[in-house]
Amino acid sequence: DAMVIQNPRYQVTQFGKPVTLSCSQTLNHNVMYWYQQKSSQAPKLLFHYYDKDFNNEADTPDNFQSRRPNTSFCFLDIRSPGLGDAAMYLCATSRDRGAYNEQFFGPGTRLTVL
Amino acid sequence: DQQVKQNSPSLSVQEGRISILNCDYTNSMFDYFLWYKKYPAEGPTFLISISSIKDKNEDGRFTVFLNKSAKHLSLHIVPSQPGDSAVYFCAATNSGYALNFGKGTSLLVTP
Repeated sequence: DAMVIQNPRYQVTQFGKPVTLSCSQTLNHNVMYWYQQKSSQAPKLLFHYYDKDFNNEADTPDNFQSRRPNTSFCFLDIRSPGLGDAAMYLCATSRDRGAYNEQFFGPGTRLTVL
Repeated sequence: DQQVKQNSPSLSVQEGRISILNCDYTNSMFDYFLWYKKYPAEGPTFLISISSIKDKNEDGRFTVFLNKSAKHLSLHIVPSQPGDSAVYFCAATNSGYALNFGKGTSLLVTP
């Protein structure tokens, strides 16, 4: 089945140690998104790629970066994780941008920062 | 600041009865509203949506109502089934790509 895959499902890192989360998709969608969802909070969009074009949300900390080497893969890099970065990270894809383009979500990666 | 609010963290309903999940928003520029459903260990999946030019959209057992003057929308599930037990997220956007989510309401449908 076509889907959005996130690896790993659980990631533990140390305070200040760089970490990379991975997302892949078999839907061949143009747009890939990264959301952060802290405990009991709403998912919050960090950034998205429209094809190779990177779009950062205004309030996304500089500590968070992303790479999209090809259509299928997108990575979330956290350069120096702090305790406040512990969260569920959700990857999503859509065929195109715009409200009417359904976003398909992966199962998420739960990040723990020690 | 939270532009989409789901003030009920949880809701319990008996099987066969109606489930009503509520959502309020503050941004009058929002013109498209969505509900996502999330099972444990899975990502959210799209359930139903409504454009601001409508006040009701129905899909099987699921109906979404929009009251623009009150900046309020609700999701009705009739009849509720145990398989509907999940977390429901309300989301809104202003014709863009960015979805503004609420914190979610956990629905439990009991036999």
